[in-house]
Amino acid sequence: QQPVQSPQAVILREGEDAVINCSSSKALYSVHWYRQKHGEAPVFLMILLKGGEQKGHEKISASFNEKKQQSSLYLTASQLSYSGTYFCGTEGNSGNTPLVFGKGTRLSVIA
Amino acid sequence: NAGVTQTPKFQVLKTGQSMTLQCAQDMNHNSMYWYRQDPGMGLRLIYYSASEGTTDKGEVPNGYNVSRLNKREFSLRLESAAPSQTSVYFCASSVARASYNEQFFGPGTRLTVL
Repeated sequence: QQPVQSPQAVILREGEDAVINCSSSKALYSVHWYRQKHGEAPVFLMILLKGGEQKGHEKISASFNEKKQQSSLYLTASQLSYSGTYFCGTEGNSGNTPLVFGKGTRLSVIA
Repeated sequence: NAGVTQTPKFQVLKTGQSMTLQCAQDMNHNSMYWYRQDPGMGLRLIYYSASEGTTDKGEVPNGYNVSRLNKREFSLRLESAAPSQTSVYFCASSVARASYNEQFFGPGTRLTVL
């Protein structure tokens, strides 16, 4: 089942923070976050595992809510290079299953 | 390492024509995937191959066939292209880390069906 991302789009000024949410109707095994710039392939940012462990980008963090049905991605002190579309990919029940991606959140960082 | 490569980068077809999209990875990954990306729809899984010799349907398999030729290569075939198959197609492969799979995407093939 496709996860729901919110917001659909957000505009930030350099240095501001942003939160992107990824919600599912079931508890998640893991959430993978990707960023895609226009005309390019998605690039892996980080993964949030069910135990709360995170692996990936230094300046980006994520968390689960209590039921592990929602993940939030935190972008702090945004830079112009953070602009792009952010996708979450989710695994349910167990690992080693194909990711199901949300529809994306378009982030624009302006000077 | 070239990572995941896809050919062609662009293609225009007429309705009813057939073609094969090629994908190869040089990272010795077991799993490979084909996605399509349409505006506002995110990435939708067409087919995947968990290992050499196996393939499984994803969310949107109708109108497509795949072949896992060997561990490196995973091709996607459109037998009779339709305008609804106009999309950007991404191939990906994944490696099993200690507790998760990390997925890498190719640069994409932009397909237009007239």
